[in-house]
Formats: sequence, structure tokens, C-alpha cells
Amino acid sequence: TQLLEQSPQFLSIQEGENLTVYCNSSSVFSSLQWYRQEPGEGPVLLVTVVTGGEVKKLKRLTFQFGDARKDSSLHITAAQPGDTGLYLCAGIKNTGNQFYFGTGTSLTVIP
Amino acid sequence: DVKVTQSSRYLVKRTGEKVFLECVQDMDHENMFWYRQDPGLGLRLIYFSYDVKMKEKGDIPEGYSVSREKKERFSLILESASTNQTSMYLCASSFGQGYYGYTFGSGTRLTVV
Repeated sequence: TQLLEQSPQFLSIQEGENLTVYCNSSSVFSSLQWYRQEPGEGPVLLVTVVTGGEVKKLKRLTFQFGDARKDSSLHITAAQPGDTGLYLCAGIKNTGNQFYFGTGTSLTVIP
Repeated sequence: DVKVTQSSRYLVKRTGEKVFLECVQDMDHENMFWYRQDPGLGLRLIYFSYDVKMKEKGDIPEGYSVSREKKERFSLILESASTNQTSMYLCASSFGQGYYGYTFGSGTRLTVV
């Protein structure tokens, strides 16, 4: 059983469309992170959110941490082919240094 | 440019062989991790280490062992490789409580035949 569930698992959209990826859990996390992984490479950190309700923007990407710190979302505006990749959320609990990874969302943006 | 380096991008080994996967980080991070990544299963933690000569089991340690003799190096050992250990192996490191996230290596795609 995964501690963090992501949806959708797969997403294929046209360039210019908007999309939202969700990361949900029944557990509370002290912080949550989003990574993007391109084929054949390791995941790369995009953002860390710490405070319940926090919203962070990274160009066309908007990240939100749920008020109860159990869930998060990633919204991409006007998707581009360069956004293609596997998006992973990862949460860390109040104790320990270990991140728990979500199941991942594979995004394909078609030119 | 700080980084985590995994010794091999691709490996092909025979069933029963002893396999060593090496990982080196140049960021003076205390914490190092080994994950395997499989389609539909996500990243699963094999072993991790918070300090030199220290190791802790993750979620799927069976069939694996690790070694951390120096702070910058964390080795994953497959004692007797089996076909179900064919996977992408990712090494990562982090600083302190992990707020700054993991830095991952590029991965080693291991095929056991």
C-alpha cells in the first residue's frame, strides 16, 4: 500500500492545455516535494512546500499544499512539450529523514 | 555543480552473480539512499544510511546489502543476482532533515539474465 497516491497515473494532452496532478494521503506530512523525472535520468527537485495552504509558483507551474498537510496538487498552465516527464510527489513525516514517494504521474505533451 | 554519481548507467549480469552498484556524492551530505524503480510500483526504498558505517533497512531489503565506509560513498550489493532484481536503481543523498530534498544520481539500469 502506497502512502501517497497520485492521480492520474497517465496523462496525454495537447500543447497549450492546462492540467492538474493530485497527490493524496491519509497521513500528515511536515513537508512535501515535487520532482520531475525525464526518461533515463534521476528525478530532479522542483519545489518544497512546508506550510498548510501554501502556494508556490515556478513559472507556469503552481504547487499547493493542502490545509491539513495531507495532500498537494501541481497545476501546469499552457503545457509545453518540454513539460513531458514523470512527476513524483514525496512527503516527509515529522520524524525521520526519509521521504515517501507517490506512485507518479506520467505526462506527455503533444506538440 | 554538485552531484550524485552512479558508477554505471547500464549493467547486464547473470543470475547468481554478485553485483556491486556504486554511488558517490560530492555535497558532504549525511544521508544516502538506494531505491529501485519499477513501472507501476514507483520508487521503493531498499536501504539508507544516516552516517558512516551506519545502515538501516528500507521497505524491500531482501536480497540486498549495503556498505558505507566513507561519507561520500554508498554501495549497494546484490549478493546473488536474480531475474526479479532487474530494475532501475537510483541513489540519492540529502542534507539534515531533508528539507532541501534529495539529489538523485542518473540511475543504473540493471538487467539480470
